[in-house]
Amino acid sequence: AQRVTQPEKLLSVFKGAPVELKCNYSYSGSPELFWYVQYSRQRLQLLLRHISRESIKGFTADLNKGETSFHLKKPFAQEEDSAMYYCALSGPGAQKLVFGQGTRLTINP
Amino acid sequence: AAGVIQSPRHLIKEKRETATLKCYPIPRHDTVYWYQQGPGQDPQFLISFYEKMQSDKGSIPDRFSAQQFSDYHSELNMSSLELGDSALYFCASSRLVGLAGGPYNEQFFGPGTRLTVL
Repeated sequence: AQRVTQPEKLLSVFKGAPVELKCNYSYSGSPELFWYVQYSRQRLQLLLRHISRESIKGFTADLNKGETSFHLKKPFAQEEDSAMYYCALSGPGAQKLVFGQGTRLTINP
Repeated sequence: AAGVIQSPRHLIKEKRETATLKCYPIPRHDTVYWYQQGPGQDPQFLISFYEKMQSDKGSIPDRFSAQQFSDYHSELNMSSLELGDSALYFCASSRLVGLAGGPYNEQFFGPGTRLTVL
């Protein structure tokens, strides 16, 4: 079964503190993993994908196949990072996304 | 840059009525996906189309149907609406991109249509 689990519905940290949003997945095969972000009153947009191994807005995420995790990290949180974050997976190619429950991140000044 | 367009943005219907949601993908995108997000829920996949043919089907009720037209826009038709159909309906579009590590699919989302069934 395909499943994505984000254990924290809410996460609140202070500006400048490190941030880690957890994501675990269940998938038989080699999935593609993504982080999507939704800022207030905006549409869902792609933040990171595991195959590109890039850093966007200071965020990174490493796929750990042994632990089936794809945690999102940022060393120093900024107020503009406050948003809803969704971890998602899909099979190879043009396939549907399976989303986690989402984590609402709030950065306090 | 052009983004995915959805209309209407808000829709209020009574129980047992019908509703039609429209999605206009990014130009040259060949795949359209529909997702339903209930209050406090994660987006759930409903159905997708590739080159105007249904490519995958998720937890879409039999009361719902969808199609993709020759201009690649898609419509989600919902009949015999129930209170539980109240949700945000997202459309996403994509175009398969060939990368060194294999084909890659990035889905671009529309702003959603908020359907309220009274």
